[in-house]
Amino acid sequence: DTGVSQNPRHKITKRGQNVTFRCDPISEHNRLYWYRQTLGQGPEFLTYFQNEAQLEKSRLLSDRFSAERPKGSFSTLEIQRTEQGDSAMYLCASSPRGSGSGDTQYFGPGTRLTVL
Amino acid sequence: GESVGLHLPTLSVQEGDNSIINCAYSNSASDYFIWYKQESGKGPQFIIDIRSNMDKRQGQRVTVLLNKTVKHLSLQIAATQPGDSAVYFCAENYYGQNFVFGPGTRLSVLP
Repeated sequence: DTGVSQNPRHKITKRGQNVTFRCDPISEHNRLYWYRQTLGQGPEFLTYFQNEAQLEKSRLLSDRFSAERPKGSFSTLEIQRTEQGDSAMYLCASSPRGSGSGDTQYFGPGTRLTVL
Repeated sequence: GESVGLHLPTLSVQEGDNSIINCAYSNSASDYFIWYKQESGKGPQFIIDIRSNMDKRQGQRVTVLLNKTVKHLSLQIAATQPGDSAVYFCAENYYGQNFVFGPGTRLSVLP
């Protein structure tokens, strides 16, 4: 399977715990995006990387959230001191190009986070 | 399976009929648009895209229409099948920035 993969698919945690999600983009895709999706809503942009550089962060991304893409390949999204409001589907997407007009984003299956 | 959206607008069509799903986008400067299909428990799946220098694009059983004057996008699905049942999102993009997604429409195909 050469699509975007995400792990774990499901995560249940207690409030206050830290969680980390991983995303493996399509090989050779330069851009990697993180989105959050709650029930009844479309995906909301969190942040994106151009290779290893984090170029933009949404105001939705509080200081409890941090994302990395250390070698320009896979990425991790960490949430510290989780809150019940963090419960959502966290989606990763990648696209092949890096600049200019928009390029198609391909999504992974998502990680469903439930904070108890 | 897990529901993607609980209170979305719903379009119900008979199997074999054509479906039209509409979307109003927000930024008049957006220059690239994508329709995604999302099934329960899965990530959005690319269906078809269109750039702002076009007003119509056709794929296999799907057609996207773009009306920039009124900032309106539509997705037409021909001969709708049970496997088309899902939530459909339009997404707009301005010059390579992050995509902004619409609220979604649930398509329900009746046997």
